[in-house]
Amino acid sequence: AQSVAQPEDQVNVAEGNPLTVKCTYSVSGNPYLFWYVQYPNRGLQFLLKYITGDNLVKGSYGFEAEFNKSQTSFHLKKPSALVSDSALYFCAVRPFSSNTGKLIFGQGTTLQVKP
Amino acid sequence: GAGVSQTPSNKVTEKGKYVELRCDPISGHTALYWYRQSLGQGPEFLIYFQGTGAADDSGLPNDRFFAVRPEGSVSTLKIQRTERGDSAVYLCASTPRGTGDNEQFFGPGTRLTVL
Repeated sequence: AQSVAQPEDQVNVAEGNPLTVKCTYSVSGNPYLFWYVQYPNRGLQFLLKYITGDNLVKGSYGFEAEFNKSQTSFHLKKPSALVSDSALYFCAVRPFSSNTGKLIFGQGTTLQVKP
Repeated sequence: GAGVSQTPSNKVTEKGKYVELRCDPISGHTALYWYRQSLGQGPEFLIYFQGTGAADDSGLPNDRFFAVRPEGSVSTLKIQRTERGDSAVYLCASTPRGTGDNEQFFGPGTRLTVL
């Protein structure tokens, strides 16, 4: 079955420290990979995507993610966390077999950045 | 410009009742998606429209759920004989086209509570 796993329910980091939010996937073929962020009482916002090309992709608000095909991972990173980065983060994949763009989401990781 | 809007923002209904949830996508976006997000989970795909037609309804859980998009813009998700298990946040998203490499623009969601 095709799936996305975010192994950590919550990640805690101090402001100014680097952060990593983990994501692994299990799909057939070459996936399209996405990260979204959800703030309280607001819709999901797109952060970045990997379609093809360079394995390191850069996105909004200083976030980046690295596609690792051998480890089937797409971890989200930021060199220096801000308190305002505290939110719920979702990794998502568009299976290769899907030509409709529907996404499979992970269960989400809450990022807590403390001052 | 205007983003994806959804109405109502909250809907409380009684078990067995019928509800309609509305989504207004971004103008010009031909692809429209419905997802359902249960508490503590990531969004789960329900249905995808390309224009007026439902190109993929594989995520609809049963025949109580139905969605339409008669003019290729606004979409309505309809749930008959609601059950307590239908309680969730229903999210709508749109993209310029449904090729899967575009970011999806999400609305704020409709929180449905079935008593």
